[in-house]
Amino acid sequence: ETGVTQTPRHLVMGMTNKKSLKCEQHLGHNAMYWYKQSAKKPLELMFVYSLEERVENNSVPSRFSPECPNSSHLFLHLHTLQPEDSALYLCASSQAGTGLDNEQFFGPGTRLTVL
Amino acid sequence: SQKIEQNSEALNIQEGKTATLTCNYTNYSPAYLQWYRQDPGRGPVFLLLIRENEKEKRKERLKVTFDTTLKQSLFHITASQPADSATYLCALEPVYNQGGKLIFGQGTELSVKP
Repeated sequence: ETGVTQTPRHLVMGMTNKKSLKCEQHLGHNAMYWYKQSAKKPLELMFVYSLEERVENNSVPSRFSPECPNSSHLFLHLHTLQPEDSALYLCASSQAGTGLDNEQFFGPGTRLTVL
Repeated sequence: SQKIEQNSEALNIQEGKTATLTCNYTNYSPAYLQWYRQDPGRGPVFLLLIRENEKEKRKERLKVTFDTTLKQSLFHITASQPADSATYLCALEPVYNQGGKLIFGQGTELSVKP
């Protein structure tokens, strides 16, 4: 286990539903990330939180809304998604900062299917 | 534009041979480059990091090289085993120490046959 957990592991939702993905890290890291991974495409960085403040929002549609209540927890709130949003959503954490290597630890992912 | 490219074709090799995977990048000057392994339906797992001033890094059967002139990293697995079958990703931080943002390549799928 990597020390990063994600729930649920699988999620099927309709386009009008609202759901949330949860991520928790037990590594004492100061940065957390959401990535989207679609088939045969590179990992796409969606959001970065460093010290609980959002430092990156990679032009993600507003139907994805992140929340980072503390350094150990990260949520991704989903509403009115589209079928093309179906993908594997990965959470990661790292100890980011000057002189550090930013090795990222990933959770197992949530496989999301939007009908 | 900035790009990271890995062998798009899957790599099939025989057990015991050395697998060599390539990662090329353009328009970046990374301070380091990372390699990850990803199994189907799982998150990537960090393997190795190599810095811009290091030519080569080793860890057990893994070896990574970094040529900043060619803008290329090579990832080698010696004495490969079927358990090494997975997708291997390279990643770099485009601007050093800017909130930990990593850019990933699309990955190369490796299959080691017994």
